[in-house]
Amino acid sequence: AQSVTQLGSHVSVSEGALVLLRCNYSSSVPPYLFWYVQYPNQGLQLLLKYTTGATLVKGINGFEAEFKKSETSFHLTKPSAHMSDAAEYFCAVRAGASGSARQLTFGSGTQLTVLP
Amino acid sequence: GAGVSQSPSNKVTEKGKDVELRCDPISGHTALYWYRQSLGQGLEFLIYFQGNSAPDKSGLPSDRFSAERTGGSVSTLTIQRTQQEDSAVYLCASSAAGYNEQFFGPGTRLTVL
Repeated sequence: AQSVTQLGSHVSVSEGALVLLRCNYSSSVPPYLFWYVQYPNQGLQLLLKYTTGATLVKGINGFEAEFKKSETSFHLTKPSAHMSDAAEYFCAVRAGASGSARQLTFGSGTQLTVLP
Repeated sequence: GAGVSQSPSNKVTEKGKDVELRCDPISGHTALYWYRQSLGQGLEFLIYFQGNSAPDKSGLPSDRFSAERTGGSVSTLTIQRTQQEDSAVYLCASSAAGYNEQFFGPGTRLTVL
């Protein structure tokens, strides 16, 4: 079974400041990890994913995340926030290749506000 | 089209009525998922289809919910005797065989009065 905890349902940063959105997971098998972004009244868009290999993964729009197995974390960062980054962000986990379940388990989401 | 499409985009119904929500996955994608997004419960998995295998229905909240996938492509999620707690955005996603990225549609917003 898998679960995801996102710390902070709302995060506010100033334009140009570092963005850090936290995600911790629990998984009974080696996980695959994802970050999705959702803009108002739209579906989910994949930002980045970790499956195997390099633990620092880069995604679209300047975002990156690092898989830390010892901390069971997959925090999302961006060095400099832009107004267009304001959206809701979801961390998700699914069983990796050694597991049978393919559906995603999502965290509760973090609403990012970017202040001018 | 290039992406996952869902119809209708919005559906308002009265309590007790049945509704059908449609999902057209990306052409060639063998896996199809339904999720529900609601204020109280967040994003929840409902059901998963993979090729011709029996669907994984483990996320369906009650027997009022059912889904089918015809010809390995289009899927319909049916909710019978709708209740107010069924109000949510229903999201469909698809993925290609051997790949782990799920592509999401824009969702259907269901409101039960």
